Amino acid sequence: NAGVMQNPRHLVRRRGQEARLRCSPMKGHSHVYWYRQLPEEGLKFMVYLQKENIIDESGMPKERFSAEFPKEGPSILRIQQVVRGDSAAYFCASSPRGNDNSPLHFGNGTRLTVT
Amino acid sequence: QKEVEQNSGPLSVPEGAIASLNCTYSDRVSQSFFWYRQYSGKSPELIMSIYSNGDKEDGRFTAQLNKASQYVSLLIRDSQPSDSATYLCAGAWAGGFKTIFGAGTRLFVKA
Repeated sequence: NAGVMQNPRHLVRRRGQEARLRCSPMKGHSHVYWYRQLPEEGLKFMVYLQKENIIDESGMPKERFSAEFPKEGPSILRIQQVVRGDSAAYFCASSPRGNDNSPLHFGNGTRLTVT
Repeated sequence: QKEVEQNSGPLSVPEGAIASLNCTYSDRVSQSFFWYRQYSGKSPELIMSIYSNGDKEDGRFTAQLNKASQYVSLLIRDSQPSDSATYLCAGAWAGGFKTIFGAGTRLFVKA
């Protein structure tokens, strides 16, 4: 299966812990996007990355959140010192090109629960 | 200021009817539009892409784009209970790099 792979599918963290979400794009895709979805809400853009570069992080909270997409390995979304409000589904998507004609292909998401 | 707006619904139609889903966008959004379907607890799945004015048909689905009115719609013919889901309208931002999503419209198809 060459689709977008995210892991873990479910992640439970206590308040104050760190959460690490991983995403491997589709084969041949070098553009990765992270979105957050709260229950009964739409997808909110967080960050767009290419290999080794953050292109647009305008949707990322200023504190505690960071993202990377190293030369080797998956993209990582890191949330430090999690709070209950971070509980959400986090979706990763990839595209072959970073222009506005590329539809996004989504992974199955990571559902983060903060207790 | 929202850039892609949808009626959250729910929209309820009987089986076999045509379901009409609508979306408007601000002029900040480029003219590339997408419709995604999302079942509860699942990830969004691309249904249609539309880039130019007019209609685009794919099976039971027809996407319509009217750039002058900044309006995009999705018609589902012969609706089936399996079409019950949330439908997300999305547009790609001109000059930018992100796809912007509407809040989604929940569709219920009654058997």
